[in-house]
Amino acid sequence: DVKVTQSSRYLVKRTGEKVFLECVQDMDHENMFWYRQDPGLGLRLIYFSYDVKMKEKGDIPEGYSVSREKKERFSLILESASTNQTSMYLCASSLSLGQGSYEQYFGPGTRLTVT
Amino acid sequence: GQQVMQIPQYQHVQEGEDFTTYCNSSTTLSNIQWYKQRPGGHPVFLIQLVKSGEVKKQKRLTFQFGEAKKNSSLHITATQTTDVGTYFCAGPGSGTYKYIFGTGTRLKVLA
Repeated sequence: DVKVTQSSRYLVKRTGEKVFLECVQDMDHENMFWYRQDPGLGLRLIYFSYDVKMKEKGDIPEGYSVSREKKERFSLILESASTNQTSMYLCASSLSLGQGSYEQYFGPGTRLTVT
Repeated sequence: GQQVMQIPQYQHVQEGEDFTTYCNSSTTLSNIQWYKQRPGGHPVFLIQLVKSGEVKKQKRLTFQFGEAKKNSSLHITATQTTDVGTYFCAGPGSGTYKYIFGTGTRLKVLA
């Protein structure tokens, strides 16, 4: 059974703080993703990684960076947290279904509040 | 850029009524996926459709992929309280690996 874990379920940080969100998957998946989820906006892709040390920007990368030093771990970094980054953050890894399609497995999410 | 929209955003139904959510993409999709997120939970993969006009069923859930491969629907027959949650569709984004998720439809079932 695929397991994706995230370091915290709830996090409260102050404006300007550097924030690290950690994600670990145990199924040797190549691809990992960070999304944020906001009401009415669905899931929006921040960054993704298709291999160790490789990363690509998603649709809303501004204000975020990522790190993937090991295959199983993908970190999301908020260099200087702002109140508009208050959101639910979801990590996912993906399994190939063949023919260029992938099933995504999500972690439980981290609800981040920036005050 | 590529967009995937879903309607309605919210739907409240009485238990036993049917429910349908619609997904529309601004571009043609090679496949479409559906996910369910229970309240307080995380999205879980339900199914993938690949062929034009494809219809798949999972018990009371019927999934359809449009002929032009730009739209899809999820229909639930005789809803139950266990169907409560948010349903997302997702289609492949530009490039590889990534998916664009729809805005989601939040279903509430009243007992």
